[in-house]
This record gives sequence, structure tokens and C-alpha cells, in this order.
Amino acid sequence: EAGVTQFPSHSVIEKGQTVTLRCDPISGHDNLYWYRRVMGKEIKFLLHFVKESKQDESGMPNNRFLAERTGGTYSTLKVQPAELEDSGVYFCASSQDRRWGEQFFGPGTRLTVL
Amino acid sequence: QKEVEQNSGPLSVPEGAIASLNCTYSDRGSQSFFWYRQYSGKSPELIMFIYSNGDKEDGRFTAQLNKASQYVSLLIRDSQPSDSATYLCAVNMDSGAGSYQLTFGKGTKLSVIP
Repeated sequence: EAGVTQFPSHSVIEKGQTVTLRCDPISGHDNLYWYRRVMGKEIKFLLHFVKESKQDESGMPNNRFLAERTGGTYSTLKVQPAELEDSGVYFCASSQDRRWGEQFFGPGTRLTVL
Repeated sequence: QKEVEQNSGPLSVPEGAIASLNCTYSDRGSQSFFWYRQYSGKSPELIMFIYSNGDKEDGRFTAQLNKASQYVSLLIRDSQPSDSATYLCAVNMDSGAGSYQLTFGKGTKLSVIP
């Protein structure tokens, strides 16, 4: 069974540019999560999809971040326009059950904003 | 604010010894608890989960949960150099929006000395 995949693995962009990150969850997992780790800090929750619906986006930093999950399959996270403080590692995770299910993480996308 | 606290370490143990990692959490209503292992530059890898008070053993790993004390621990028996990594405690917390999100500690860095 394939795990969670993310693309790209690394992205280097300049301040003000746009970047789109993609996540493909484990097949059959309705729950998809985005997390972020900035340098020196703990991993923090961004948002949670159940199928194609945003269940909780309380962790999104501001309206420069837009997440979508078309058809309840893969998800994208767009940052527009990117700022220096957006640099970090963006992880995607998926689970079968939102309350009890283990969340399995993808390899992450390392975003560097110059 | 809901928090998860871990001793950042580093924790150094000799090969073959028992490594003990500890974690406390603030949300008394939390129901599910996870330990992830993260090698440098890699994504978090789930190694243990526990839902009920007491001990849960899986190979060389034992997770311990005490909900009254809001305390979770991970014991690694017969520690190996390959166990050297950062161990993340994560608690699945009710966000109040019909969603549960993992709240992570900052992680404890473990070094197993040959």
C-alpha cells in the first residue's frame, strides 16, 4: 500500500511569489491534514479535510494560504503571496478515523522563501 | 491554550540500556496519544499509539498512559544506535469544530551511544 506522497520535496521561491504544494493521501483515507514546522518550533496543525470538505481550518495563519481538496482525493495548499515567515516544512497526513485513527505523514515539502 | 510538553534533551543512553521519554499534556479530555520518531530531515514515523490507561507493549517499545496525571511516556528497551532520533509526543485533541487535530510537543532528541 502506497503511503502519503507530497510534491515537490523542496521549493525555493522569492518573497511575493506563489507556490502550490500537493498531497496525495493513502487511498481510502477520508481525513487529510496539513501541518507545518517552522525552524526551532513544534509541528503545528493547519487544517483538516473530511473528504472534500474543510472540517477545521483554525490553524491557517492568514488568508494568503488556500487549501483545496478536489473530489476528496488529493489536496493542494497554495501560498500567495509568499512571505519570509512562511519558510518551513509542510507536512500532509491522512487517517481513516478522525478521533482514534493514526495519522500517517508524508515526507514533507521544504519551502524556502528568500 | 492546549499544549504538549516534552523535555527537549538531548537524552543520551548507552547501547543496550532503557531509554525513557516523557510527555505531559494540558487537555484533560484527550483520548488518543501517539509517539512518532523523526530522523533528521525526514517525516514523522508513527511507532506507538495508546488510548487506555496503563501500559502497551510492542516489541522493544512500551507506551504508558496515566490520564489522571495527564502523562504519557515511551520506554525503549535494549536501545540501539539506530534508535537515535527525535521522538515526538502527539495528542489528538478535540478542536471543538467537529475535528480532532494532533498537537505535538517539541520532541526529545535521543542519542544511543555504542
